[in-house]
Amino acid sequence: GQNIDQPTEMTATEGAIVQINCTYQTSGFNGLFWYQQHAGEAPTFLSYNVLDGLEEKGRFSSFLSRSKGYSYLLLKELQMKDSASYLCAVNRDYKLSFGAGTTVTVRA
Amino acid sequence: GAVVSQHPSRVICKSGTSVKIECRSLDFQATTMFWYRQFPKKSLMLMATSNEGSKATYEQGVEKDKFLINHASLTLSTLTVTSAHPEDSSFYICSARVYYGREGRINRANEQFFGPGTRLTVL
Repeated sequence: GQNIDQPTEMTATEGAIVQINCTYQTSGFNGLFWYQQHAGEAPTFLSYNVLDGLEEKGRFSSFLSRSKGYSYLLLKELQMKDSASYLCAVNRDYKLSFGAGTTVTVRA
Repeated sequence: GAVVSQHPSRVICKSGTSVKIECRSLDFQATTMFWYRQFPKKSLMLMATSNEGSKATYEQGVEKDKFLINHASLTLSTLTVTSAHPEDSSFYICSARVYYGREGRINRANEQFFGPGTRLTVL
């Protein structure tokens, strides 16, 4: 919704690094969330960026450039359990607009 | 902390019946809750914003008479799908926004905690 774009699918091998990009329209921007969602389950919070720069949290890092309307989620040392859908969500007027999600498949 | 529950987790009903889904914040008060719908392999689409003690705000294209929302207390919001039809079959997810009233928590002031979802199947 609201022109939030992220790739549909990505595949990587166990132990590798994967970067999921997200672009969005910048009007009314008030922060960007990344969520992880396994099939049939609710999304779980991964990261939140409201200022430019990199936020690191264990194996997951998220980057934001507000002027470019761009964010990425970096997953390091991939594990099989990281296979899931990753949702980029933009906060506008205290409501979240979600991208369609990127399905990441981790192979042994 | 910040746990949100939903009930039921799954429901199967006949076409034409009404179904009520409950969303509860278990260990915090939520003045605002959100209802989303997610079709298979699609993203979450916001249906409405539920505010305690006032009428819900519906997103464009969502029928307020079909999807009745009641936010009777600071810990409970309900979504009733009235006269359900097969096209209403979907995954319904609620979320609750935590209110932070102190300085230093601004970065997370907009965080939403999601319930586990309700899978509705209308036959």
